[in-house]
Amino acid sequence: TQLLEQSPQFLSIQEGENLTVYCNSSSVFSSLQWYRQEPGEGPVLLVTVVTGGEVKKLKRLTFQFGDARKDSSLHITAAQPGDTGLYLCAGPNTGGFKTIFGAGTRLFVKA
Amino acid sequence: DAGVIQSPRHEVTEMGQEVTLRCKPISGHNSLFWYRQTMMRGLELLIYFNNNVPIDDSGMPEDRFSAKMPNASFSTLKIQPSEPRDSAVYFCASSSRDRNSPLHFGNGTRLTVT
Repeated sequence: TQLLEQSPQFLSIQEGENLTVYCNSSSVFSSLQWYRQEPGEGPVLLVTVVTGGEVKKLKRLTFQFGDARKDSSLHITAAQPGDTGLYLCAGPNTGGFKTIFGAGTRLFVKA
Repeated sequence: DAGVIQSPRHEVTEMGQEVTLRCKPISGHNSLFWYRQTMMRGLELLIYFNNNVPIDDSGMPEDRFSAKMPNASFSTLKIQPSEPRDSAVYFCASSSRDRNSPLHFGNGTRLTVT
């Protein structure tokens, strides 16, 4: 069974701080996706990483896919209250088209 | 595009009642997914359809749950009879068939069974 483990589960920081959240698996994934979910809404895709070692940037967010395609990280520079939300990593299972989600990292950025 | 549309947004019902959740996927997407989200278990895949055909329903908790997709623009998830432990937020999502295609989620239905 493919599993995605995210850490930390919860993170509370001050505005302006930097942070990194992690997504790890013992299985290889063809790609990984990061979503952000705000209260009362569904998850929204932030980025998809496909190539081992790939780095993608989205404004203050930097996403990296591990060389072995078993892990990924999300780094946020100078966090803002608007970054508050649940960050989920997800990936397709090997045998089909199911998308597996990690449990998420709940981020709270205080002004 | 209006995105994935789910109804109702909130549903409060008594134990034993039938509950029907509805979903309209994004036009042109041929895969549809039903997820359940709770604090304890996170996002759990219940069932997914491809081209209106159920492909994998191994995540459906038990026979009280059933899902249909009569056409490409509509799906339902039914719980009969409902129980308090079914209380959760139920999400519908759609995507194109490409393995790396993202899921587009609706805003969910918050179900409370008393």
